[in-house]
Amino acid sequence: AQKITQTQPGMFVQEKEAVTLDCTYDTSDQSYGLFWYKQPSSGEMIFLIYQGSYDEQNATEGRYSLNFQKARKSANLVISASQLGDSAMYFCAMREGRAGGTSYGKLTFGQGTILTVHP
Amino acid sequence: SAVISQKPSRDICQRGTSLTIQCQVDSQVTMMFWYRQQPGQSLTLIATANQGSEATYESGFVIDKFPISRPNLTFSTLTVSNMSPEDSSIYLCSAGRWQGDTIYFGEGSWLTVV
Repeated sequence: AQKITQTQPGMFVQEKEAVTLDCTYDTSDQSYGLFWYKQPSSGEMIFLIYQGSYDEQNATEGRYSLNFQKARKSANLVISASQLGDSAMYFCAMREGRAGGTSYGKLTFGQGTILTVHP
Repeated sequence: SAVISQKPSRDICQRGTSLTIQCQVDSQVTMMFWYRQQPGQSLTLIATANQGSEATYESGFVIDKFPISRPNLTFSTLTVSNMSPEDSSIYLCSAGRWQGDTIYFGEGSWLTVV
């Protein structure tokens, strides 16, 4: 079974509007972390935002916020006031386990969503 | 934050040859990993680079094909051996700390095998 599911292969948004990129996950661990990365055409992976499973508040980083719904196992990325430079591939990823464990730090990625921002 | 430098950033390689990718982190990190991203695909973990010992490989990846070294906390290499066109991918190094909430990636190394 997929551990990370991104159901939107592509999304379009008008410049200056907000957009939500969906991510659902599956884990039996109580301790885990959820990440969002942006990958422009250059190929680098740019860290955007992190949400820990025990964090009670939704994470925010500038124009990025993470809508974390633990019971639904969803961690959607919200980008406010979209800019042309936001056009890229976006990946949701999960880290499982506690610090010091053998699997800690390993990320499982979703298939990604290509976001296109129109002027 | 940690800055991760990878080189080469791009290369075109002949079938049957080997190439070593270097990953340098600007601060001490606990964990280092190598990922592969085949064209149009997501990232797949190749292995965990362990300092001073053999890397831990994921299912489907073997040491003979992807030997990895990590002589210290801030440096690691991945070699892609006996390359074939199917090895054409972006190879990415990532690093993080036990105490940190962020896992960073290098710029990636685009390999094309002809």
